[in-house]
Amino acid sequence: DIVMTQSPDSLAVSLGERATIDCKSSRSILYNSNNMNYLAWFQQKPGQPPKLLIYWASTRESGVPDRFSGSGSETDFTLTISSLQAEDVAVYYCQQYYNTPPTFGQGTKLEIK
Amino acid sequence: QVQLVQSGAEVKKPGASVKVSCKASGYTFIDHGITWVRQAPGQGLEWMGWINTYNDDTNYAQKVQGRVTMTTDTSTSTAYMELRSLKSDDSAVYYCARRHYDSSGLLRGYDSWGQGTLVTVSS
Repeated sequence: DIVMTQSPDSLAVSLGERATIDCKSSRSILYNSNNMNYLAWFQQKPGQPPKLLIYWASTRESGVPDRFSGSGSETDFTLTISSLQAEDVAVYYCQQYYNTPPTFGQGTKLEIK
Repeated sequence: QVQLVQSGAEVKKPGASVKVSCKASGYTFIDHGITWVRQAPGQGLEWMGWINTYNDDTNYAQKVQGRVTMTTDTSTSTAYMELRSLKSDDSAVYYCARRHYDSSGLLRGYDSWGQGTLVTVSS
């Protein structure tokens, strides 16, 4: 199975500041046939299901604010929130869906400093 | 709009079975698969498997293989996940999610999720 490792496990950022979460996969999740990285980012708030923010590593899901962006390729990926808002407090997960079983990172808890 | 609505919370004894439903609306059910993911209290997300709603092909996680069955009823656009021989560590919130394919047939990911079903296994 592909292991997804996020860093840090928790993060405190001031309102309006940038938040960055890293995700590393144990092997490449770049599909050479279509040059897509099969990497997604989810946001989960307490008592709610995960919400898809980013797919194919950098494509923002419809309706997701443009302060959220994804980058990276092959094994190293980053989720960036350019200007943290209070409603961004949540746990963030990366997920590879390059192969079966799809696997998630352990989660990063984002709080306000 | 796309919506997945799951059945209500369940309390089961060890060794029993549970069947969770996930009713889809707002899209053509057979065009996108359904995956099941669970989350134990305070823990991360664990993929359990998925079902191709067009042909009922399934793929299960090794951890639950042999104890899980995923099915669909296309007449009602409903997916089901049955887990048997329940153990205490099966206590979790169970989510269904849509496997979204774009118009080219490329998998975009899990874009819509049910609200979750809490399954508690306790004697």
